[in-house]
Amino acid sequence: NAGVMQNPRHLVRRRGQEARLRCSPMKGHSHVYWYRQLPEEGLKFMVYLQKENIIDESGMPKERFSAEFPKEGPSILRIQQVVRGDSAAYFCASSKPGLRTYEQYFGPGTRLTVT
Amino acid sequence: AQTVTQSQPEMSVQEAETVTLSCTYDTSENNYYLFWYKQPPSRQMILVIRQEAYKQQNATENRFSVNFQKAAKSFSLKISDSQLGDTAMYFCAFMLTQGGSEKLVFGKGTKLTVNP
Repeated sequence: NAGVMQNPRHLVRRRGQEARLRCSPMKGHSHVYWYRQLPEEGLKFMVYLQKENIIDESGMPKERFSAEFPKEGPSILRIQQVVRGDSAAYFCASSKPGLRTYEQYFGPGTRLTVT
Repeated sequence: AQTVTQSQPEMSVQEAETVTLSCTYDTSENNYYLFWYKQPPSRQMILVIRQEAYKQQNATENRFSVNFQKAAKSFSLKISDSQLGDTAMYFCAFMLTQGGSEKLVFGKGTKLTVNP
């Protein structure tokens, strides 16, 4: 029973490049959430997706950031033209619909470093 | 706006002793969920315990228990018989459900060190 999978675990990009972070939810989970953790901080919500739908993107910067969760395949968080301030750990979480426990299970995170 | 406050940036405890981590939150909702997550040096976020606001009984998971005071908006975590493997960052989180959305609001965390 695999947990939430994220890849890559570490990603280094130069300023101006694009970063693509992938997340495969737990089996049976169709809700995906992305959070960002800056150094010495708690996690901050970015976006909540269900299959083929963005439910809430209120925590996502308006420019350069986008997320998708296609019918087939993993969820993707895409950051275009990265800047040094994008350096952070990005966590994906998933949950199972119908269970009113609101438990979210997290992946190991992707640590993005922008040089 | 919903906020979560953890007033203890760092704490330490001797192995086998008991420690309590504090958390307060602010919300106008009546029904909600609260969580404690553990983040060890591996940085993996691990769910420790969950509490539903409509339940008066405090949640317990083995050595972990909470003291949920709804009127005071307080949600502390007690770790009994502390073990070296409990060394980690601990985050208190509030589940915000509005307009069909679900998202966790986290505190800034408490760094717990268990000393041998």
